[in-house]
Amino acid sequence: DAGVTQSPTHLIKTRGQQVTLRCSPKSGHDTVSWYQQALGQGPQFIFQYYEEEERQRGNFPDRFSGHQFPNYSSELNVNALLLGDSALYLCASCDRGYGYTFGSGTRLTVV
Amino acid sequence: GEDVEQSLFLSVREGDSSVINCTYTDSSSTYLYWYKQEPGAGLQLLTYIFSNMDMKQDQRLTVLLNKKDKHLSLRIADTQTGDSAIYFCAEKSGGGADGLTFGKGTHLIIQP
Repeated sequence: DAGVTQSPTHLIKTRGQQVTLRCSPKSGHDTVSWYQQALGQGPQFIFQYYEEEERQRGNFPDRFSGHQFPNYSSELNVNALLLGDSALYLCASCDRGYGYTFGSGTRLTVV
Repeated sequence: GEDVEQSLFLSVREGDSSVINCTYTDSSSTYLYWYKQEPGAGLQLLTYIFSNMDMKQDQRLTVLLNKKDKHLSLRIADTQTGDSAIYFCAEKSGGGADGLTFGKGTHLIIQP
């Protein structure tokens, strides 16, 4: 049974560019959350998607947006990249709201 | 807002027990979690505890929750070199919030 899969694993972008990260949830999970983990820090909640809608959002600017598809997979989009957006982006999926399974993440480097 | 605090480092000898501590501020927390992160990897869920429980045991892992003091601990019995990692405490608020709030993580260092 595949867990949460994320792509790509690594990405290098230039300041001002836009990036799209992808996530496929664990089989049977219908809710997807995204987190940003800066170096040496704990993950910070960006937003959560359920039934193709953003249900809750953390303290992140509108440059961060997302989407959930009918098959429950999700994308995270970041516009106008800043150097400070360099981080590990983690996707988590869950069902019934309490068993969160994380993927291995996408390492984004902005230069 | 919610806050989760952990000490940054813990060093133990191989074979000893490790106890990693965490405090949180959100009195409406419903679930509390322990995750393990190895270098360059994502987060591995170790265990979680519902806020109406005070203890949960799973093989070498024991979680203790003192809800009155908002204190959570993770005890790893017979610590092995493979336990070397960063351990994150996280809480899920009961106030309608769906995201998890994480601490900064505790680096567990195993001495031979």
